[in-house]
Amino acid sequence: DAKTTQPPSMDCAEGRAANLPCNHSTISGNEYVYWYRQIHSQGPQYIIHGLKNNETNEMASLIITEDRKSSTLILPHATLRDTAVYYCIVRVSLGRGGSNYKLTFGKGTLLTVNP
Amino acid sequence: GAVVSQHPSRVICKSGTSVKIECRSLDFQATTMFWYRQFPKKSLMLMATSNEGSKATYEQGVEKDKFLINHASLTLSTLTVTSAHPEDSSFYICSASHSILRGEKLFFGSGTQLSVL
Repeated sequence: DAKTTQPPSMDCAEGRAANLPCNHSTISGNEYVYWYRQIHSQGPQYIIHGLKNNETNEMASLIITEDRKSSTLILPHATLRDTAVYYCIVRVSLGRGGSNYKLTFGKGTLLTVNP
Repeated sequence: GAVVSQHPSRVICKSGTSVKIECRSLDFQATTMFWYRQFPKKSLMLMATSNEGSKATYEQGVEKDKFLINHASLTLSTLTVTSAHPEDSSFYICSASHSILRGEKLFFGSGTQLSVL
């Protein structure tokens, strides 16, 4: 399985950009990088995912390095409600086509947005 | 986005009883659903992968006779914790796979907090 490494915790000032790094040096060429976040006692929330190009949606931007060994999730203007554990996950294919895979969660990064 | 409904959100039961947790995809069909459990301050641990119309695939160390998974339709998967004991107390979360134009997304239910007395 392609493992990911994230810092255990980060702080960010409200209104500033939060940049969350993730290392996935053993990622394979056809494996996607997914980002989820989990607010206490809730189910994880999908944020964004990508393969090799940078991606942006209404929640965040995902920057993937050219060698795909690392990525950064960017929350452009963090708010207090963005305080959560952020998980960077590499989708592991089960080898039976694109719809057969599993997501294995690591320990994630606890992002604390301070007023 | 797509919605996954999980029920109940919280359940308290006596040791030795069985508890059923339902996971429904409300506005899409999910051929694959996943069940996770999470202990306090820990990450999610994948328990099993549930494919509609076939037997679930359990992760190593997860007892299939203890945690019964049924995925009888494209919108419903159930997890039954049989003969529950206090050590089964945990936060159980389901997720459903939704195919989109590019790649796939996994949407999660809101979780079920199981407390076994």
